[in-house]
Amino acid sequence: GAGVSQSPSNKVTEKGKDVELRCDPISGHTALYWYRQSLGQGLEFLIYFQGNSAPDKSGLPSDRFSAERTGGSVSTLTIQRTQQEDSAVYLCASSLKYMNTEAFFGQGTRLTVV
Amino acid sequence: AQSVSQHNHHVILSEAASLELGCNYSYGGTVNLFWYVQYPGQHLQLLLKYFSGDPLVKGIKGFEAEFIKSKFSFNLRKPSVQWSDTAEYFCAVMGSSGGSYIPTFGRGTSLIVHP
Repeated sequence: GAGVSQSPSNKVTEKGKDVELRCDPISGHTALYWYRQSLGQGLEFLIYFQGNSAPDKSGLPSDRFSAERTGGSVSTLTIQRTQQEDSAVYLCASSLKYMNTEAFFGQGTRLTVV
Repeated sequence: AQSVSQHNHHVILSEAASLELGCNYSYGGTVNLFWYVQYPGQHLQLLLKYFSGDPLVKGIKGFEAEFIKSKFSFNLRKPSVQWSDTAEYFCAVMGSSGGSYIPTFGRGTSLIVHP
């Protein structure tokens, strides 16, 4: 497809379970971002991948959160031992590597921890 | 570190009213500036962007924004809003920091336009 694709669109999980969220960026985009959107809190940066460079993990809120990007394309965000405060919409975006470019967002995954 | 402040969290207008949403950023170097819009039930999409050149930029649907470097501001404007402009609006800044280009977003402004 032409846009950023995320799956699943909705995920309900029990507290303590692990979840995996998937992102397919736009073909040819070397930069990939994960953000978390909570009600009234705007977009919180989580992690950034740029080509083959080491990812910028400075936004990950705890060691329960991790992400990988395979082959410079698809990315998976994993949350281990989910907590209720992890409930949010997780957004993925991709862009070209260089400055003077915008990020394109997917529809997001709405995660609900019960 | 870069940061973005959006002054209005909730704005309610009647159709045909003029709109101005404030956005101030903090970053010491070269920046790219963006306004994104999120219509109900839809994904974030770009409204307009500033990279360089003319500080008055025009976007889709009649929106425009002015970059005032001395004030670190990038306010969004529209002379006459429509009911279909009801949405969440996010300002974002992206600066160059050690080769990483990570957009930082404001908390967003919820705009409701009454018909």
